[in-house]
Amino acid sequence: SQQGEEDPQALSIQEGENATMNCSYKTSINNLQWYRQNSGRGLVHLILIRSNEREKHSGRLRVTLDTSKKSSSLLITASRAADTASYFCATDASDDKIIFGKGTRLHILP
Amino acid sequence: EAGVAQSPRYKIIEKRQSVAFWCNPISGHATLYWYQQILGQGPKLLIQFQNNGVVDDSQLPKDRFSAERLKGVDSTLKIQPAKLEDSAVYLCASSWGDRGHTEAFFGQGTRLTVV
Repeated sequence: SQQGEEDPQALSIQEGENATMNCSYKTSINNLQWYRQNSGRGLVHLILIRSNEREKHSGRLRVTLDTSKKSSSLLITASRAADTASYFCATDASDDKIIFGKGTRLHILP
Repeated sequence: EAGVAQSPRYKIIEKRQSVAFWCNPISGHATLYWYQQILGQGPKLLIQFQNNGVVDDSQLPKDRFSAERLKGVDSTLKIQPAKLEDSAVYLCASSWGDRGHTEAFFGQGTRLTVV
C-alpha cells in the first residue's frame, strides 16, 4: 500500500516559474523524503525532513512539513528545463521502511 | 563512492518462464530494498533487508517471488513463474540503516517485459 499521495498528478509550467507539489500521508512518520526520477532512470534523493522539522532548504528546493495535517510541500524556485521529471514523496514510518506515493509529473515548458 | 549496481538492465521473457535480478548495494549499507515500479506509478516496496535478515516482505507475492541477501551484501530477486502483470521496472536501493535518518540510494533498475 502507498502511504503518500502527491498532488497534482501532473503539472506544466513555464521555465523560470516556481513549481509547488504537495504530499499527504496517513500515519505518523519519522521523516519524509522527496525523490526525483528522470524518464527511464532510477530515483535520486533530493531532501529529507525529519518529523521535528518544519522547513528545510537545499539550493532551489524548499520543503515544508506539517505533521498536524500530515502533509508536506516541495517548492522548486526558478524552474529549468532540466527539472522536468517525476517527483515522489516517500515516508519513513518505522524501521527505515520507505514507502512512496504515486508521484507528480512535472513538465517545464521553454 | 560506487553506486548501487543492478543487472541485467533489460530482460524479455515469456510468461511462465523464470527470471532473476541481481543487486550489489553501496559498500557498508545495512539496509537493502527491492521495489517494483509499474509504468506511471510510484515504486512499490516488495522486500526490505537489514543486513541478511528480512524486515518486511508483506507485499512480496511469495507464491512466485523470492529474494535473498547472502552474507548481508549482494541480493537476488527471482520470479518463477512470471506473469504478464509482472512487467515492470525492478529497482534495488540501499541505505545506511541509521533508523529515522536515512536516505535511499537507487540503482538504475531492471526493466522486465513479460510476453
